[in-house]
Amino acid sequence: GDSVTQMEGPVTLSEEAFLTINCTYTATGYPSLFWYVQYPGEGLQLLLKATKADDKGSNKGFEATYRKETTSFHLEKGSVQVSDSAVYFCALSDQNTDKLIFGTGTRLQVFP
Amino acid sequence: EADIYQTPRYLVIGTGKKITLECSQTMGHDKMYWYQQDPGMELHLIHYSYGVNSTEKGDLSSESTVSRIRTEHFPLTLESARPSHTSQYLCASSEPRTVSYNEQFFGPGTRLTVL
Repeated sequence: GDSVTQMEGPVTLSEEAFLTINCTYTATGYPSLFWYVQYPGEGLQLLLKATKADDKGSNKGFEATYRKETTSFHLEKGSVQVSDSAVYFCALSDQNTDKLIFGTGTRLQVFP
Repeated sequence: EADIYQTPRYLVIGTGKKITLECSQTMGHDKMYWYQQDPGMELHLIHYSYGVNSTEKGDLSSESTVSRIRTEHFPLTLESARPSHTSQYLCASSEPRTVSYNEQFFGPGTRLTVL
């Protein structure tokens, strides 16, 4: 079945550092891909999405490109802030079941 | 801004009590979901619904039950709470895949502690 694999955390960075969180997927067909963010004590919020190959999703300085050839959707940000500290989830849309398949989440900690 | 609400936000309760976690959305979405999130952060789908009078069990077996009598309301019930039910419960909703590619909108969650 479809699956999502994302890098384990925690990822610990200093403020203004470059961020990459790796995400790869296995799926039949052409799923849509998402990054969600969960701040402490809250539910998940959509950060960005891409619905077809080579699409780039972007929001709040974060970017991710849908790479079909490498089945990847890595999250990047050029300069992280303390306020970016959160848990990040990569997900794909299962075209057969109308469900989202989530990765296990990556905790990001940014220190001043 | 998505409008999906969960109450209570926090609940501490004794073993054996019956509890209902409320979830409501004002977006008119037909599809709704319940997830259980363990302390290690991983999300597990425990129930979902594709519309009124439709409920299905998710990928993780759960002793909870759900109902969907109204489009906007998707409550989750535990008949007899146990310490193993201690977890964070997240409710979500979405439009049809053809509209929003299954993008889900999440509520703020209910953190349940069973003593």
